[in-house]
Amino acid sequence: VQLVESGGGPVKPGGSLRLSCAVSGFSFFGYSMNWVRQAPGKGLEWVSSISSDSAYIYYADSVMGRFTISRDNAKNSIYLQMNSLSAADTAVYYCARSGGDYDRGAMPEFDFWGQGSLVTVSS
Amino acid sequence: SYVLTQPPSVSVAPGKTARITCGGNNIGSKSVHWYQQKSGQAPVLVVYDDSDRPSGIPERFSGSNSGNMATLTITRVEAGDEADYSCQVWDSGSDHPGVFGGGTKLTVL
Repeated sequence: VQLVESGGGPVKPGGSLRLSCAVSGFSFFGYSMNWVRQAPGKGLEWVSSISSDSAYIYYADSVMGRFTISRDNAKNSIYLQMNSLSAADTAVYYCARSGGDYDRGAMPEFDFWGQGSLVTVSS
Repeated sequence: SYVLTQPPSVSVAPGKTARITCGGNNIGSKSVHWYQQKSGQAPVLVVYDDSDRPSGIPERFSGSNSGNMATLTITRVEAGDEADYSCQVWDSGSDHPGVFGGGTKLTVL
């Protein structure tokens, strides 16, 4: 199992960025996927989750209305479109696989993680 | 929104047992997952569904969950266990269901 994030970098406040996560080594369609971030020196913060068929999508309150998660099962990839960025969004963003698919209101554990992509929001 | 509370730090001597707690309202009714994160590295799942271990995780790592507290227990602690440990739940029914605890820094003395 491999997850590789890309698309991070510096961005000015109010700007936008799109993160990508390319996965390999497993049947992508059968798994929910997630984004988790970690601000410098801080703990893990869940950002967003998407079910295998994109029917179920959830966001943290801190990013609702600004971030959009999506996936392309044909390309074995997930994305995070981030708009209206502020300094508070500065973090390493991790892509994480769930241990199965979202089912009856439950999201499995995050069993595999990428190495992360750093997003720095600064003027 | 649901809150998970962890102690900021726990210290333990090598060979001893470390216990890291994760408090939450009626957390015993939820599935708790634990992640280990060593300095500069991505998190690694060490316990899922309260007490199950992924393949490759030593038996020294175990978990329990009841009432308002979940606990990660590490027996025969080694220097290599020094890391941040975070608990996580999925708060079904919430509009923002993914929740992490604040993390606990385990120091091996």
